[in-house]
Amino acid sequence: AQKVTQAQTEISVVEKEDVTLDCVYETRDTTYYLFWYKQPPSGELVFLIRRNSFDEQNEISGRYSWNFQKSTSSFNFTITASQVVDSAVYFCALSAYQGAQKLVFGQGTRLTINP
Amino acid sequence: DTEVTQTPKHLVMGMTNKKSLKCEQHMGHRAMYWYKQKAKKPPELMFVYSYEKLSINESVPSRFSPECPNSSLLNLHLHALQPEDSALYLCASSQDRTSGGRRGTGELFFGEGSRLTVL
Repeated sequence: AQKVTQAQTEISVVEKEDVTLDCVYETRDTTYYLFWYKQPPSGELVFLIRRNSFDEQNEISGRYSWNFQKSTSSFNFTITASQVVDSAVYFCALSAYQGAQKLVFGQGTRLTINP
Repeated sequence: DTEVTQTPKHLVMGMTNKKSLKCEQHMGHRAMYWYKQKAKKPPELMFVYSYEKLSINESVPSRFSPECPNSSLLNLHLHALQPEDSALYLCASSQDRTSGGRRGTGELFFGEGSRLTVL
């Protein structure tokens, strides 16, 4: 069985602070994919990143960075110099199904960036 | 702007009504999905279509009936719903990784959702 845990239900920080969203996963599959999605108030889930289980390189995209550590089954997401527009619910998700994807989502972390 | 379009954005219906949610994508994706999301919860998978065939049904009640008329369209027909079915219904599409030739990136692209209220 697969499971994704996002222990932080809500985070509130002041603009320009750095913030890290935690994600811990469980799977028995040797091949799997991890994702982060952002859900702003409009409702759409916006894809941020996909990482496969063979690639433990950290990734940086602008103010966003991701730290994948297979040894601790974690895939954490850091926003540097946060902005009000970063306010949203962020979901970490896991997929191990080849072919059509079957995403298992974490419960989500509601991030509020205050001006 | 999302490349997955869902209509209507909002729908209010009675328990005896019949209505449909529609989803359209023009990215050439061959897998399409319906997810249900209740307030403050993560999305839950309902159905997956792969190459226009139903490949996953997550034990969804028969009052929800999916249909995939072609590779770009996905419908969800609603009949005799209950108030607890009120939720945000999200459509998504993806490149099926088993598609012949080119391997897709695999991530799902979501629409903005249809917010359904059942009275």
